[in-house]
Amino acid sequence: EIVLTQSPGTKSVSPGERVSLSCRASQAVVSNYIAWYQHRRGQPPRLLIYGAASRATDTPGRFSGHGSGTDFTLTISRLEPEDFAVYYCQQYGTSPWTFGQGTKVEFK
Amino acid sequence: QVQLQESGPGLVKPPETLSLTCNVSGASVTSDYYYWSWVRQSPGQGLEWIGYIHASGSTNYNPSFKSRVTISIDTSKNHFSLSLKSVTSADTAIYYCARDTGDIYFYGMDVWGQGTAVTVSS
Repeated sequence: EIVLTQSPGTKSVSPGERVSLSCRASQAVVSNYIAWYQHRRGQPPRLLIYGAASRATDTPGRFSGHGSGTDFTLTISRLEPEDFAVYYCQQYGTSPWTFGQGTKVEFK
Repeated sequence: QVQLQESGPGLVKPPETLSLTCNVSGASVTSDYYYWSWVRQSPGQGLEWIGYIHASGSTNYNPSFKSRVTISIDTSKNHFSLSLKSVTSADTAIYYCARDTGDIYFYGMDVWGQGTAVTVSS
C-alpha cells in the first residue's frame, strides 16, 4: 500500500501567518489523486482539496494545493482562527486508499 | 443538501460483530456517480479507510479488514451498512460514513456523517 508521510507533525503558528504542510508518498500517486481534509475536534473531516490542486465546494481561497508524483503541499496563505485543526492528506488513486498521519496546526 | 447519519450500538463485546448503518438523505444510494465509504479513527490515531460500496454492489475493502468486513447497501431504505466481525479492543474507534464522488474523474470524500463512537469491551 502507499504510505503517506506528513510533515511536520505539529506546526505552531499565529493568525495571519502563511503555513505550508507537506505530504510525501512512498510511490507515485495515480492521477495525482491526493485529497486534503481539515479535521476539527468533535467534527467530521472536511474535504478541502481534491486532485492535488482543486478546491472543493466552499473551500476558502486562502487554501491551495499543489504537487505531483510523490510530493504534495497544502498552503494556507493567511491563517484564520478557525483554521487551527489537524490536516490529513489522502491518496485515492491506488487501493487501499490511505491517509497520512496528520499535521496539527496549533496556536503559537 | 446531502446528509449522512451513522447509527448503531455504542458498545460491542468481543468477539461479537460490530454493525453500523449510514442513512443517506438528499441523494440516492443508487446513483452511479457515488461510492459509499466507511472510515474510522481510533483513539489518538489518524484516519483509516475501511472500504466502499457502489450502487452496482461492487465493493472494495482495505486488506487490513478484508477477512472481517462486509459493506452492504439497501436501496429501498437508501442506506448502507458496515459489518465487522470478531471485534477486539483495537476496533474501538469513531466510525464515519462518507460519500465519494466520481466516475471517470474522482473528487474525494466530499460529504461525511458526524461519526459514531464505538467501544469494544466486555
